[in-house]
Amino acid sequence: ELKVEQNPLFLSMQEGKNYTIYCNYSTTSDRLYWYRQDPGKSLESLFVLLSNGAVKQEGRLMASLDTKARLSTLHITAAVHDLSATYFCAVDLTTSGSRLTFGEGTQLTVNP
Amino acid sequence: EPEVTQTPSHQVTQMGQEVILRCVPISNHLYFYWYRQILGQKVEFLVSFYNNEISEKSEIFDDQFSVERPDGSNFTLKIRSTKLEDSAMYFCASSDEGRAFFGQGTRLTVV
Repeated sequence: ELKVEQNPLFLSMQEGKNYTIYCNYSTTSDRLYWYRQDPGKSLESLFVLLSNGAVKQEGRLMASLDTKARLSTLHITAAVHDLSATYFCAVDLTTSGSRLTFGEGTQLTVNP
Repeated sequence: EPEVTQTPSHQVTQMGQEVILRCVPISNHLYFYWYRQILGQKVEFLVSFYNNEISEKSEIFDDQFSVERPDGSNFTLKIRSTKLEDSAMYFCASSDEGRAFFGQGTRLTVV
């Protein structure tokens, strides 16, 4: 059974600081996604990582994938309050369509 | 930008009643999904649907649940005889071969 673990689960940081969220998974996969969820809202797709060594960047967020280590990271650079949300990684074992197994989520709070 | 739409946004139902949650996936997508999120917990896969049939389902998706694509645009999740523990946010999603796009969710409250 695929297990997806994120850490930390809760992260409180100051504006302007950097931090990394980690996503470990138990079964080999080269399809990993990062989603953002604001309270009471849907899941917004942030990044799609489809191969070993993939790195994607959007604004202050950068995601990477190491399929050999079964690890993805989401790095936050110079955090701002607007980044406060819950971030989920999700792993897909299927080869077509997507059945996603989500991590527990990391609740990020960026304080002024 | 195309989006997945779900109705209703919030449904309150009495225990034992049947509910139908509705979704309109993105029009050129081929795969459809239902996920649920119990308050404060992670998102869990329920079922995937492709080519007018269930392609995969989780252990959560038991005989109480069913899905249907009654016409060319809607995709529904029916929960028969709801239980208190069915209270959750239910998300519909659709995809082509790649990433899934999620609807805004239906909050189901069973009382």
